Amino acid sequence: TAGITQAPTSQILAAGRSMTLRCTQDMRHNAMYWYRQDLGLGLRLIHYSNTAGTTGKGEVPDGYSVSRANTDDFPLTLASAVPSQTSVYFCASSGTSGGADTQYFGPGTRLTVL
Amino acid sequence: GQNIDQPTEMTATEGAIVQINCTYQTSGFNGLFWYQQHAGEAPTFLSYNVLDGLEEKGRFSSFLSRSKGYSYLLLKELQMKDSASYLCAVKTGSYQLTFGKGTKLSVIP
Repeated sequence: TAGITQAPTSQILAAGRSMTLRCTQDMRHNAMYWYRQDLGLGLRLIHYSNTAGTTGKGEVPDGYSVSRANTDDFPLTLASAVPSQTSVYFCASSGTSGGADTQYFGPGTRLTVL
Repeated sequence: GQNIDQPTEMTATEGAIVQINCTYQTSGFNGLFWYQQHAGEAPTFLSYNVLDGLEEKGRFSSFLSRSKGYSYLLLKELQMKDSASYLCAVKTGSYQLTFGKGTKLSVIP
């Protein structure tokens, strides 16, 4: 079982350009999340989706958008990238498991905006 | 607001025991998670506590006191491969987690 996959693994992007980070899970989890991780700041939630067709804003949503057309995919789009969006981006998913709803993380995308 | 505090860095000797503390002040509480993250890799799940007390899982144990807003992760018989960051996270809503900034543990020979 692949679990969660993310693409690309890394990317260098010019400021002002748009980009979509892809995330796919094969665990049939209802909930999916996007985090960014920055040195000294830890993991911060960008957007989440509790189930297909619904999305919500996390702690740092500005400059990002998401969609959840089906259970498996949860892409994150940067419409016009800025250097402060340089970060490592992790996608995660969770499903009901005795109430824990443990989140499982993808391998991450390292994005550099120049 | 949400506040989760952990020490930034810790160092311990191979074979020893280390305790990583986490204190939290959050607007909601539906459980506490510990994750391990090796440099350059994704976080991986270690433990989950929702009731007060100790949960043991091999060399790792996690403790929770909800009244004190306090948890710790205990690592026994430390190995070099335990060198990693350890992330404390509180489930503050139905699904969402709020993470602390993580504790970087270095295990030395």
